[in-house]
Amino acid sequence: QVQLQESGPGLVKPSETLSLTCTVSGASISSSTNYWGWIRQPPGEGLEWIGSASDSGRTEYNPSLKSRVTISVDTSKNQFSLRLRSVIGADTAVYYCARGQGWFDPWGQGTLVTVS
Amino acid sequence: QLVLTQSPSASASLGASVKLTCTLSSGHSTYAIAWHQQLPEKGPRYLMKINSDGSHAKGDGIPDRFSGSSSGAERYLTISSLQSEDEADYYCQTWGSGIVVFGGGARLTVL
Repeated sequence: QVQLQESGPGLVKPSETLSLTCTVSGASISSSTNYWGWIRQPPGEGLEWIGSASDSGRTEYNPSLKSRVTISVDTSKNQFSLRLRSVIGADTAVYYCARGQGWFDPWGQGTLVTVS
Repeated sequence: QLVLTQSPSASASLGASVKLTCTLSSGHSTYAIAWHQQLPEKGPRYLMKINSDGSHAKGDGIPDRFSGSSSGAERYLTISSLQSEDEADYYCQTWGSGIVVFGGGARLTVL
């Protein structure tokens, strides 16, 4: 079955760029018309959509984060990535990657990124 | 503005049934939604998608105890024969016009 796994630094300094990668296994990232998304969850809070991208390069971003976010897809590595610039403490969260345009299924297990 | 509203908490007894509600904002009553379950200290898991006509599509391996329905702008998740492992946070999610929105989540306590 399709599985996703997030990877990247667990600690990022304020004003720097948060970079995460999601590795997809069990399916080709360029198959069908899939979109691939990033969602985050600050400690003790709810889920917040960051953005999504297709293998053809189309992207959709949360308007509240759009100025700082880039999501890209690397079909050669079967991965997609998140870059969040100029991070602040409020960007501390568990970051999840997931497959979907519309509803998300499946999800990765998540990775905690602390801005400090 | 596309918004999803959930009551923050619910509780029901072991073996009983519970119905969680997700309400779409005005003007968006025809939107489909998805329900996700988040067990303590775990990542979310897709449960099902519910269309405005009440038809729904479950994720792989989701037990028959989980069902979905719809009425107007409300989308429901019903869990029957509650088990202790159903104690979790439940989030609804919708999408449209290039954005994705989550509800605030509902914490279900099994008594």
